[in-house]
Amino acid sequence: QVQLVQSGAEVKKPGASMKVSCHVSGYTFTNYFIQWVRQAPGQGLEWMGWMNPDSGDTHSVQKFQGRVTMTRDTSSSTAYMELTGLKSDDTAVYYCARGNCNGDCFDFWGQGALVTVSS
Amino acid sequence: QTVVTQEPSLTVSPGGTVTLTCASSTGAVTSGYYPNWFQQKLGQAPRALIYGTSKKHSWTPARFSGSLLGGKAALTLSGVQPEDEAEYYCLVYDGSAWVFGGGTKVTVL
Repeated sequence: QVQLVQSGAEVKKPGASMKVSCHVSGYTFTNYFIQWVRQAPGQGLEWMGWMNPDSGDTHSVQKFQGRVTMTRDTSSSTAYMELTGLKSDDTAVYYCARGNCNGDCFDFWGQGALVTVSS
Repeated sequence: QTVVTQEPSLTVSPGGTVTLTCASSTGAVTSGYYPNWFQQKLGQAPRALIYGTSKKHSWTPARFSGSLLGGKAALTLSGVQPEDEAEYYCLVYDGSAWVFGGGTKVTVL
């Protein structure tokens, strides 16, 4: 069965960097995009960007450009999302999701990784 | 930047019907926005329900349906069950980015 399993919770200081992993199983990693979404405490969902695990191509929302890097390790079927220059309002649960339906849906989701930014 | 608006909250009786809507600040939502709907319960990851306006995933209960209604994307829950109490998010593609709505809290009472 399709599964996306993310890394655990982290606490980071302002200005530091975070890197969340997303290990997939149950399908061919390079056949489907990975989408990244975050959710601040008590808030709604916010799309961050996508990565094509086959080519390594990425695209992120303008507000994160320059701070976000999406990478992958095809040998371990794992996607990574790194965010630098952390601020307190980057405190959120970060989700990875599989992009499917010819790019028109996010069908399977990871369990989320809570990153807390606090001094 | 596109803003997507949903009703903040709706209440429905068990067995009843409720329709949630999803509007875009750029104009009418059409099938070209590829509307998606997700259900999220407290402490859980979102679960995909609807994509491409009205298409269901294999796990989507039959009582959930998607449509376009008056220039908005819509999610209708028919024969609501207590377990349908949750937050529901729409997601649309504005031509350059995916944008989530703010979510609708559905209470079954």
